[in-house]
Amino acid sequence: DTGVSQNPRHKITKRGQNVTFRCDPISEHNRLYWYRQTLGQGPEFLTYFQNEAQLEKSRLLSDRFSAERPKGSFSTLEIQRTEQGDSAMYLCASSLGTGTGNTIYFGEGSWLTVV
Amino acid sequence: AQSVTQPDIHITVSEGASLELRCNYSYGATPYLFWYVQSPGQGLQLLLKYFSGDTLVQGIKGFEAEFKRSQSSFNLRKPSVHWSDAAEYFCAVGPSGTYKYIFGTGTRLKVLA
Repeated sequence: DTGVSQNPRHKITKRGQNVTFRCDPISEHNRLYWYRQTLGQGPEFLTYFQNEAQLEKSRLLSDRFSAERPKGSFSTLEIQRTEQGDSAMYLCASSLGTGTGNTIYFGEGSWLTVV
Repeated sequence: AQSVTQPDIHITVSEGASLELRCNYSYGATPYLFWYVQSPGQGLQLLLKYFSGDTLVQGIKGFEAEFKRSQSSFNLRKPSVHWSDAAEYFCAVGPSGTYKYIFGTGTRLKVLA
């Protein structure tokens, strides 16, 4: 069990550029989540996949954001036309199960700095 | 509205001293409660969780937390702090049946040698 893996760990980009983050969940976890954490704040929920289906998106996820999980394994989060307000740590997490109370395990995050 | 409050932004303790980090939540039913720890630049590590049953929960690294329904609290404790415990601690609520954890704003712990 290698845990939730995220790449790249750090990304600096110019405003207006597109960026993509990848997340590899814990093997066989059917649920995958993206959260965003800005400095001095706790993480905030962005979106959720069960297998390959994206079941919910937060209102925080603007049209410039798109997430995919094409084969129900790894996921990508793309941000188009980045803005300085997108600077944050993007956390991926995964969990196993179909019931309630499943523990979510987080990756180490991908830091985005938009300059 | 559902919310989590961590009233202490910063806490400083001496190594070997006891620790209590406060967490209060607002939720209409029994929530699922979590404490996570985050070292600088790192992701979140689960310390402990409460779903039901015994209100005193033991976690990793010698931490424990007590769920008090009457006070809507889930405070984290450790009897003797180690220098390696310096980090940021987040309390979270995961309403039953959902995955949308609501996090507090965190408490940054500093440990004095």
